Amino acid sequence: DIQLTQSPSLLSASVGDRVTITCRASQGGDHYVAWYQQKPGKAPKLLIYDASTLQSDVPPRFSGSASGTEFTLTISSLQPEDFATYYCQESKNYLMTFGQGTRLQIK
Amino acid sequence: DELLVASGGTLVQPGGSLRLSCEGSGFTFRMYWMHWVRQAPGKGLEWVANIYQRPIQPSYAESVRGRFTISRDDARNLLSLEMNSLRVDDTAVYFCARGKYNFGSSYLDSWGPGTQVTVSP
Repeated sequence: DIQLTQSPSLLSASVGDRVTITCRASQGGDHYVAWYQQKPGKAPKLLIYDASTLQSDVPPRFSGSASGTEFTLTISSLQPEDFATYYCQESKNYLMTFGQGTRLQIK
Repeated sequence: DELLVASGGTLVQPGGSLRLSCEGSGFTFRMYWMHWVRQAPGKGLEWVANIYQRPIQPSYAESVRGRFTISRDDARNLLSLEMNSLRVDDTAVYFCARGKYNFGSSYLDSWGPGTQVTVSP
Protein backbone atom coordinates (compact mmCIF):
# COMPACT_ATOMS: atom_id res chain seq x y z
CA ASP A 1 0.00 0.00 0.00
CA ILE A 2 1.05 3.58 -0.62
CA GLN A 3 2.18 5.57 2.42
CA LEU A 4 1.95 9.36 2.50
CA THR A 5 4.32 11.23 4.82
CA GLN A 6 3.54 14.85 5.59
CA SER A 7 5.98 17.39 6.92
CA PRO A 8 6.10 19.20 9.15
CA SER A 9 3.60 17.73 11.63
CA LEU A 10 3.31 21.11 13.34
CA LEU A 11 3.85 24.50 11.74
CA SER A 12 3.77 27.85 13.53
CA ALA A 13 3.25 30.94 11.41
CA SER A 14 1.81 34.44 11.47
CA VAL A 15 -0.94 36.14 9.51
CA GLY A 16 0.47 37.22 6.18
CA ASP A 17 3.17 34.53 6.05
CA ARG A 18 3.70 32.23 3.09
CA VAL A 19 3.71 28.59 4.20
CA THR A 20 4.35 25.28 2.47
CA ILE A 21 3.33 21.80 3.56
CA THR A 22 4.93 18.76 1.93
CA CYS A 23 3.54 15.29 1.30
CA ARG A 24 5.79 12.46 0.07
CA ALA A 25 4.49 9.25 -1.47
CA SER A 26 6.28 5.98 -0.71
CA GLN A 27 6.09 4.68 -4.28
CA GLY A 28 6.68 6.03 -7.74
CA GLY A 29 4.25 5.99 -10.64
CA ASP A 30 1.20 8.12 -11.36
CA HIS A 31 -0.11 10.11 -8.41
CA TYR A 32 -3.30 12.09 -7.94
CA VAL A 33 -3.03 13.89 -4.62
CA ALA A 34 -5.77 15.88 -2.94
CA TRP A 35 -5.51 18.29 -0.01
CA TYR A 36 -8.07 18.91 2.74
CA GLN A 37 -8.46 21.47 5.51
CA GLN A 38 -10.05 20.48 8.81
CA LYS A 39 -11.03 22.76 11.68
CA PRO A 40 -11.71 21.40 15.20
CA GLY A 41 -15.04 19.61 15.48
CA LYS A 42 -15.78 19.97 11.76
CA ALA A 43 -15.69 17.73 8.73
CA PRO A 44 -12.73 18.12 6.36
CA LYS A 45 -13.06 20.40 3.36
CA LEU A 46 -11.56 19.66 -0.06
CA LEU A 47 -9.09 22.35 -1.16
CA ILE A 48 -7.16 20.89 -4.09
CA TYR A 49 -7.38 17.74 -6.20
CA ASP A 50 -5.21 16.21 -8.91
CA ALA A 51 -2.22 17.83 -7.17
CA SER A 52 -2.91 21.37 -8.41
CA THR A 53 -6.59 21.90 -9.32
CA LEU A 54 -8.33 24.31 -6.97
CA GLN A 55 -11.77 23.21 -5.80
CA SER A 56 -14.51 25.74 -6.52
CA ASP A 57 -15.00 28.40 -3.84
CA VAL A 58 -11.49 27.89 -2.44
CA PRO A 59 -9.51 31.15 -2.30
CA PRO A 60 -6.65 31.47 -4.80
CA ARG A 61 -4.10 31.97 -2.01
CA PHE A 62 -4.14 28.15 -1.83
CA SER A 63 -2.14 26.32 -4.47
CA GLY A 64 -0.72 22.84 -5.02
CA SER A 65 2.18 21.46 -6.98
CA ALA A 66 3.92 18.16 -7.67
CA SER A 67 7.42 16.99 -8.44
CA GLY A 68 7.86 13.23 -8.75
CA THR A 69 6.69 11.72 -5.48
CA GLU A 70 6.72 15.05 -3.59
CA PHE A 71 3.59 17.18 -3.38
CA THR A 72 3.24 20.60 -1.82
CA LEU A 73 0.39 22.75 -0.56
CA THR A 74 1.23 26.45 -0.41
CA ILE A 75 -0.74 29.22 1.24
CA SER A 76 0.59 32.47 -0.19
CA SER A 77 -0.57 34.86 2.56
CA LEU A 78 -2.02 33.32 5.70
CA GLN A 79 -5.40 34.58 6.86
CA PRO A 80 -6.79 34.08 10.38
CA GLU A 81 -9.28 31.49 9.11
CA ASP A 82 -6.47 29.35 7.64
CA PHE A 83 -5.21 28.09 11.01
CA ALA A 84 -6.34 24.47 10.91
CA THR A 85 -5.07 20.96 10.21
CA TYR A 86 -4.24 19.95 6.64
CA TYR A 87 -4.22 16.45 5.15
CA CYS A 88 -2.98 15.07 1.87
CA GLN A 89 -4.73 12.06 0.33
CA GLU A 90 -4.27 9.64 -2.53
CA SER A 91 -6.00 6.57 -3.94
CA LYS A 92 -4.54 3.46 -5.59
CA ASN A 93 -6.58 0.47 -6.79
CA TYR A 94 -9.69 1.96 -5.14
CA LEU A 95 -7.95 2.06 -1.71
CA MET A 96 -7.56 5.51 -0.20
CA THR A 97 -4.74 6.79 2.04
CA PHE A 98 -4.37 9.98 4.06
CA GLY A 99 -1.21 11.63 5.31
CA GLN A 100 -0.89 11.97 9.08
CA GLY A 101 -1.78 15.66 9.02
CA THR A 102 -0.07 19.02 9.53
CA ARG A 103 -1.37 21.30 12.24
CA LEU A 104 -0.94 24.97 11.33
CA GLN A 105 -0.99 27.15 14.43
CA ILE A 106 -0.58 30.83 15.14
CA LYS A 107 2.94 31.85 16.14
CA ASP B 1 -27.36 22.31 -1.79
CA GLU B 2 -25.60 18.97 -1.44
CA LEU B 3 -26.10 17.48 1.98
CA LEU B 4 -24.89 14.35 3.74
CA VAL B 5 -26.26 13.44 7.14
CA ALA B 6 -24.86 10.48 9.06
CA SER B 7 -26.63 8.83 11.95
CA GLY B 8 -26.54 5.73 14.13
CA GLY B 9 -23.47 6.41 16.24
CA THR B 10 -23.71 5.47 19.91
CA LEU B 11 -21.95 3.70 22.78
CA VAL B 12 -21.47 -0.03 22.22
CA GLN B 13 -19.58 -2.75 24.06
CA PRO B 14 -16.52 -4.51 22.60
CA GLY B 15 -17.59 -7.39 20.39
CA GLY B 16 -20.89 -5.69 19.63
CA SER B 17 -22.43 -4.56 16.35
CA LEU B 18 -23.69 -1.26 15.02
CA ARG B 19 -25.16 0.05 11.79
CA LEU B 20 -24.45 3.57 10.59
CA SER B 21 -26.52 5.32 7.95
CA CYS B 22 -25.91 8.36 5.78
CA GLU B 23 -28.62 10.08 3.77
CA GLY B 24 -27.66 12.18 0.78
CA SER B 25 -29.71 14.97 -0.78
CA GLY B 26 -29.29 17.75 -3.31
CA PHE B 27 -27.39 15.61 -5.83
CA THR B 28 -27.89 12.48 -7.95
CA PHE B 29 -26.79 9.99 -5.31
CA ARG B 30 -26.56 6.92 -7.55
CA MET B 31 -23.96 8.55 -9.80
CA TYR B 32 -21.32 8.95 -7.12
CA TRP B 33 -18.82 6.88 -5.23
CA MET B 34 -19.56 6.97 -1.52
CA HIS B 35 -17.05 6.57 1.29
CA TRP B 36 -16.76 6.22 5.05
CA VAL B 37 -13.81 7.92 6.76
CA ARG B 38 -13.17 7.87 10.49
CA GLN B 39 -11.19 9.92 12.98
CA ALA B 40 -10.21 8.58 16.38
CA PRO B 41 -10.01 11.09 19.24
CA GLY B 42 -7.06 13.44 18.70
CA LYS B 43 -5.90 11.48 15.64
CA GLY B 44 -5.84 11.94 11.88
CA LEU B 45 -8.20 10.81 9.17
CA GLU B 46 -8.46 7.09 8.33
CA TRP B 47 -10.28 5.91 5.23
CA VAL B 48 -12.62 2.99 6.03
CA ALA B 49 -14.49 1.83 2.91
CA ASN B 50 -16.00 2.84 -0.40
CA ILE B 51 -18.71 1.68 -2.77
CA TYR B 52 -19.87 2.48 -6.27
CA GLN B 53 -21.99 0.35 -8.57
CA ARG B 54 -21.84 -3.32 -9.54
CA PRO B 55 -19.75 -4.95 -10.93
CA ILE B 56 -17.17 -2.87 -9.02
CA GLN B 57 -16.83 -4.47 -5.60
CA PRO B 58 -16.65 -2.37 -2.43
CA SER B 59 -13.17 -1.77 -1.00
CA TYR B 60 -12.11 -1.77 2.65
CA ALA B 61 -9.19 -0.68 4.78
CA GLU B 62 -7.23 -3.60 6.15
CA SER B 63 -8.16 -2.61 9.71
CA VAL B 64 -11.88 -3.27 9.10
CA ARG B 65 -11.90 -5.87 6.32
CA GLY B 66 -14.00 -8.88 7.29
CA ARG B 67 -15.73 -6.99 10.14
CA PHE B 68 -17.38 -4.04 8.37
CA THR B 69 -19.72 -4.10 5.36
CA ILE B 70 -20.58 -1.03 3.28
CA SER B 71 -23.78 -0.94 1.24
CA ARG B 72 -26.04 1.52 -0.54
CA ASP B 73 -29.70 1.91 -1.45
CA ASP B 74 -29.85 4.32 -4.37
CA ALA B 75 -33.66 4.38 -4.37
CA ARG B 76 -33.52 5.92 -0.89
CA ASN B 77 -30.25 7.88 -1.33
CA LEU B 78 -28.89 5.93 1.59
CA LEU B 79 -25.37 4.74 2.43
CA SER B 80 -24.84 2.24 5.25
CA LEU B 81 -21.97 0.76 7.24
CA GLU B 82 -22.59 -2.47 9.14
CA MET B 83 -19.95 -2.85 11.85
CA ASN B 84 -19.43 -6.18 13.62
CA SER B 85 -16.93 -7.46 16.17
CA LEU B 86 -16.31 -3.90 17.30
CA ARG B 87 -13.11 -3.14 19.16
CA VAL B 88 -12.08 -0.29 21.45
CA ASP B 89 -9.84 1.06 18.67
CA ASP B 90 -12.89 1.47 16.40
CA THR B 91 -13.88 4.41 18.61
CA ALA B 92 -14.04 7.43 16.31
CA VAL B 93 -16.16 10.00 14.57
CA TYR B 94 -17.37 8.39 11.36
CA PHE B 95 -17.83 10.68 8.36
CA CYS B 96 -19.65 9.79 5.17
CA ALA B 97 -18.31 11.51 2.09
CA ARG B 98 -19.09 11.77 -1.60
CA GLY B 99 -16.31 10.70 -3.90
CA LYS B 100 -15.24 11.49 -7.41
CA TYR B 101 -13.20 9.03 -9.47
CA ASN B 102 -11.64 9.69 -12.84
CA PHE B 103 -8.94 7.47 -14.37
CA GLY B 104 -7.08 6.90 -11.13
CA SER B 105 -7.86 10.25 -9.55
CA SER B 106 -10.11 9.82 -6.51
CA TYR B 107 -11.02 12.45 -3.94
CA LEU B 108 -13.82 13.43 -1.57
CA ASP B 109 -15.63 16.62 -2.52
CA SER B 110 -18.51 16.69 -0.04
CA TRP B 111 -18.59 15.53 3.58
CA GLY B 112 -21.25 15.08 6.23
CA PRO B 113 -20.74 16.29 9.80
CA GLY B 114 -19.98 12.82 11.24
CA THR B 115 -21.46 10.55 13.88
CA GLN B 116 -19.70 9.44 17.07
CA VAL B 117 -19.09 5.73 17.71
CA THR B 118 -17.71 4.81 21.12
CA VAL B 119 -16.69 1.23 21.88
CA SER B 120 -16.20 0.75 25.60
CA PRO B 121 -16.97 -1.88 28.28
